[in-house]
Amino acid sequence: DQQVKQNSPSLSVQEGRISILNCDYTNSMFDYFLWYKKYPAEGPTFLISISSIKDKNEDGRFTVFLNKSAKHLSLHIVPSQPGDSAVYFCAARRGAGNMLTFGGGTRLMVKP
Amino acid sequence: GAGVSQTPSNKVTEKGKYVELRCDPISGHTALYWYRQSLGQGPEFLIYFQGTGAADDSGLPNDRFFAVRPEGSVSTLKIQRTERGDSAVYLCASSLSGPNNEQFFGPGTRLTVL
Repeated sequence: DQQVKQNSPSLSVQEGRISILNCDYTNSMFDYFLWYKKYPAEGPTFLISISSIKDKNEDGRFTVFLNKSAKHLSLHIVPSQPGDSAVYFCAARRGAGNMLTFGGGTRLMVKP
Repeated sequence: GAGVSQTPSNKVTEKGKYVELRCDPISGHTALYWYRQSLGQGPEFLIYFQGTGAADDSGLPNDRFFAVRPEGSVSTLKIQRTERGDSAVYLCASSLSGPNNEQFFGPGTRLTVL
């Protein structure tokens, strides 16, 4: 039973345009959400996070939106750059536990 | 500064053999996590250490998997009687204590069981 789902395995975007990556979750006990970026042969690197008490968090070109009623979050990257091409993972954490539950990832390709 | 390191980077073994995977966390990080990433999937939690003790081992798939962290720093993930289904990238992460502290991941060990 996948508690965190990323339904789009891949996304292709033109440089300079907006990239929108989506993530859905089923466990209403999740209270903290994160996005990680992964290049080949490297471990995931933290990108941005959001607490369940907020609906938006912004950091430079990256913004994460959380819709608790829909159990949905999204990552917006604007403007997209070729260096953003990577696999993006959505992750969620429940309560005081530190384990992360990851989605299956979305491969983003930003074309010059 | 040094990040999380994992050795070996690649390990090829035969079915039924025993393997050990090592993780060196960031200095000062008391929390350490092991995840497993199968092809085309996201990382799956295996075990979490706070200091020397396993605070949560609910993700270990069966009793062939075991992990230790005897001095609260380096950790070793041990897999007995390996099976082909154990083939995956094994990721280690570390963080400072506290629920909102970022987990820093190592590059992973790619395990292939023939």
